[in-house]
Amino acid sequence: QVQLQESGPGLVKPSETLSLTCTVSGVSMSSSYWNWIRQPPGKGLEWIGYIYSSGSTNYNPSLESRVTISVDTSKNQFSLRLGSVTAADTAVYYCARRKYGTDFDSWGQGTLVTVSS
Amino acid sequence: EIVLTQSPATLSLSPGERATLSCRASQSVSTYLAWYQQKPGQAPRLLIYGASNRATGIPARFSGSGSGTDFTLTISSLEPEDFAVYYCQQRGTLFTFGPGTKVDIK
Repeated sequence: QVQLQESGPGLVKPSETLSLTCTVSGVSMSSSYWNWIRQPPGKGLEWIGYIYSSGSTNYNPSLESRVTISVDTSKNQFSLRLGSVTAADTAVYYCARRKYGTDFDSWGQGTLVTVSS
Repeated sequence: EIVLTQSPATLSLSPGERATLSCRASQSVSTYLAWYQQKPGQAPRLLIYGASNRATGIPARFSGSGSGTDFTLTISSLEPEDFAVYYCQQRGTLFTFGPGTKVDIK
């Protein structure tokens, strides 16, 4: 059974960099797309970007200048870095898997990141 | 960017009733449309992918239809655990989500 678990600081200061890691268990990371999706409190969902198991990436154009997603298949982890954060980046951040030809079928439980001084 | 619009914003129904949720795309997404259910404090759960295919373990009372720009999620007979927020999502061009429809108890 696929399990994903987000980890990282719950509080980040404005202008600093948000860093999160997703640990994947129960499945190989090969042949899948590994995604970050966020949800501001009380609002809808926003796709941030993905990394394929080969290392290729694709990002939401609205965030592309500030986002980097990387993968470490030896540790079964992938990571998110979002720079120059503001209060608007306060959200629950989810990691999620997508297999080719389908949609986001496995999700982590989510982690709340608050941007505040 | 492809924009998804969902209607209604809120649907108030009783258990046992039929729910019909709509999702409209600003341009064609073929059948690259999925539906998710989200309950408070939980991650979204994939219900339907490819507009009409039920995900693993999803009960048969959930069905999806549509293609191009107009899509529908139908819950044939609401169970108590179905009261939640439902999101549509497209992968025709990158990925975007609709604003959601809340199905609450009348």
